Amino acid sequence: DAGITQSPRHKVTETGTPVTLRCHQTENHRYMYWYRQDPGHGLRLIHYSYGVKDTDKGEVSDGYSVSRSKTEDFLLTLESATSSQTSVYFCAISGDSAGTDTQYFGPGTRLTVL
Amino acid sequence: GIQVEQSPPDLILQEGANSTLRCNFSDSVNNLQWFHQNPWGQLINLFYIPSGTKQNGRLSATTVATERYSLLYISSSQTTDSGVYFCAGAPDTDKLIFGTGTRLQVFP
Repeated sequence: DAGITQSPRHKVTETGTPVTLRCHQTENHRYMYWYRQDPGHGLRLIHYSYGVKDTDKGEVSDGYSVSRSKTEDFLLTLESATSSQTSVYFCAISGDSAGTDTQYFGPGTRLTVL
Repeated sequence: GIQVEQSPPDLILQEGANSTLRCNFSDSVNNLQWFHQNPWGQLINLFYIPSGTKQNGRLSATTVATERYSLLYISSSQTTDSGVYFCAGAPDTDKLIFGTGTRLQVFP
């Protein structure tokens, strides 16, 4: 399995507070992704990165920002958390040295916004 | 954007049975993947299969790109196969669109 860790694994916060989730990979994959998973919606792409400091929006990017200052780290920030952002957040990576598109997922972060 | 439809939404099997899961796309994709989410929430990539057929143990997948669908076959199912199976596709290589999944329960 690809070496992907997410931190924290669980977080409870209050509406209006900033939250940052971290994804760390040890696989030197080029692409990194943030998804959210909600009942009835499957997984939806929030933002992704195709290289250091290169990011793009996904289908549900409103209210979220990302940064990638190093190949191995991809941060997801909720500037002012809302209850609608209560979800399970998954990080994924792809783009190994062979250039394959297979995506590998981290263990997820369960975020509750009260 | 493309729409991804999975069927059936739920499937209940007894151990040893075979099953077929289907994924339809509203438009052509050149990146298609199948994933299994186990009951603990972990997502595992099963296949990267934009076209053709692949097999991995008791699992196999076939994608007919010209007709915009993919099938996942599970043979001799085991209780450890339980969970949710997702397919996902993208018209380009990066932005996968996921279906809402097929929930499989395998009973001994």
